[in-house]
This record gives sequence, C-alpha cells and structure tokens, in this order.
Amino acid sequence: KNEVEQSPQNLTAQEGEFITINCSYSVGISALHWLQQHPGGGIVSLFMLSSGKKKHGRLIATINIQEKHSSLHITASHPRDSAVYICAVKSSKGTSGSRLTFGEGTQLTVNP
Amino acid sequence: EPEVTQTPSHQVTQMGQEVILRCVPISNHLYFYWYRQILGQKVEFLVSFYNNEISEKSEIFDDQFSVERPDGSNFTLKIRSTKLEDSAMYFCASSKREYTGELFFGEGSRLTVL
Repeated sequence: KNEVEQSPQNLTAQEGEFITINCSYSVGISALHWLQQHPGGGIVSLFMLSSGKKKHGRLIATINIQEKHSSLHITASHPRDSAVYICAVKSSKGTSGSRLTFGEGTQLTVNP
Repeated sequence: EPEVTQTPSHQVTQMGQEVILRCVPISNHLYFYWYRQILGQKVEFLVSFYNNEISEKSEIFDDQFSVERPDGSNFTLKIRSTKLEDSAMYFCASSKREYTGELFFGEGSRLTVL
C-alpha cells in the first residue's frame, strides 16, 4: 500500500466548476505539501500545511491530522488550472524527516 | 521573485558516461534536495543536503550518485556511470527550514541515457 494515496487519478471538469482533489496518507507527518506540475514538467509549490486550512486566490487546502486526510479545492476552475496536482508528505519519523513522499498525482483537465 | 535555477534543461548522454546536473538554490536557503521523476511515474526523493553534508538519502541514491556544494552557490548532482534506467527528470529544490519550510523547485533537468 502506498504511503500517499490520491483520488481521483484523472479529473475532467468544465470551466467554472468547483473541484476537489483528495489525499490520504498512512504515516505521521510534520507537513503536507500540495504541488502543481505543469505540462512542461516544472513543479510549483502551492501550499504547505501542518494543520487547518489555507487559502490562496481560488485555491483552498485543508488537512485533518486525525483522519490523515487532506483536500485541495479549486473554485471557479479555469482551463489554465489544467495540470497535475501532487500531494506530498514529510514524515514525522526522526530518520526520514527530511524526505518528501509523493502521491501519484491527479491529472486535472478543465475544458472551456 | 527568487527562484531555483537548474542547468542543463535537457542532456542526452551515452550509457556509462558521467553526468553533472547543476542547481542554484535560493540564496538564503539552507536545505537542498534532489528528486527524480521517471517518465510516467511519481516523483521520488533522492537526497537532502544541509551544512555541507548529506542529511538523508534514499535507497536509489547509491554509490553512483554524489552531491556537493562546491562554491557556496551551486548544488550539483553527479552520476558517475549512467545507466539506461537513470533516464528521468531531475528536480532540485531548496527550503529555509527542514521540516516545515516551503519548498521551491527548479524547472528540472531532463536526462536521457542512450
């Protein structure tokens, strides 16, 4: 079983729709990252969370530490949001605390 | 806005050749990382580096790999004798803090081993 599971793997939406991508993890963590990978391959950090909720523009990220679950929401989606969204966690275990463990990613396509 | 830069953006090499991938992290960052992504697969951790030494490395990071920060600005990943399976996108990243610092990624270096 993967330490980080994302769902769905693929998501197609119409412009303007509200989008949710989910991430579940099985280890204790010190932080969870949401990343965006563009078609060219570059990776951009969207959020880093250790508790609660963060908002940046149309993006909202939440985390429930007890349930080991995080969600990334996109409001009023736009075709430029089309990308792969990746959840990654930093374990709270002492010997592996600096590495990120990545999910498989969610391919989002937003159609006009 | 400060950014992490990587060179080259794409390198093609013959199996068995040495390759050096270069990264310039953000200037006030203290923690440096290399990750790789084989085509169609998820991103994998290779190594973390702090205070001029490796702080953690993965099972992938065997004796064929090495990292160094030769001059206080560049952070390099060397693959001594490349194999076909080393073909991947290699990402450098840096952060101010180890556990809770936001990560900044470079655009990646695509390595193709023939």
